[in-house]
Amino acid sequence: ILNVEQSPQSLHVQEGDSTNFTCSFPSSNFYALHWYRWETAKSPEALFVMTLNGDEKKKGRISATLNTKEGYSYLYIKGSQPEDSATYLCAFRGSTLGRLYFGRGTQLTVWP
Amino acid sequence: DAGVTQSPTHLIKTRGQQVTLRCSPKSGHDTVSWYQQALGQGPQFIFQYYEEEERQRGNFPDRFSGHQFPNYSSELNVNALLLGDSALYLCASSWEGRSSTDTQYFGPGTRLTVL
Repeated sequence: ILNVEQSPQSLHVQEGDSTNFTCSFPSSNFYALHWYRWETAKSPEALFVMTLNGDEKKKGRISATLNTKEGYSYLYIKGSQPEDSATYLCAFRGSTLGRLYFGRGTQLTVWP
Repeated sequence: DAGVTQSPTHLIKTRGQQVTLRCSPKSGHDTVSWYQQALGQGPQFIFQYYEEEERQRGNFPDRFSGHQFPNYSSELNVNALLLGDSALYLCASSWEGRSSTDTQYFGPGTRLTVL
């Protein structure tokens, strides 16, 4: 059984706060790690695909780091805004075949 | 580009019935994957279709079957519905260029309720 764990399960912050979440995954047979942002009633939106140990990605105020040797990735949001409120999902991919193993997500609520 | 589209948006069925869900991939994509998201869980992989063949399958019973058409669109069929099949069904498309940076793009899902 391949486990992908995300923490915390939910997070409530004030507008302007910076925040971060964790995704833990198997450190063996690593191929790629995906981050998605999912707003209610919309499609999950691809944020990052990370493939190399030590990789860092950035998109506006959102950034992510990757440590494949210890099996974790961090997602950071700087200066959170109410429009950042969403569920953030990570997904592990272990081979060239496309199956993704998802965590349960971190639900972020940003209060104005 | 319309992105990944799914139909219907919502569906209500009774136990024992059969259901068909549909997915049109993003333009230029040739691979379709299906996921089930039950309440409180992350999406679980059902299967993936490439070149009209099921290429990979998750831990779902044979009641779950699929098809991919020559235009790359796909169907998910579920027979003999159980209450536990109530979930959001997500379709994802990608271009299977065998690169580690290939991204799967998701549709908005079909909400299935089994009564």
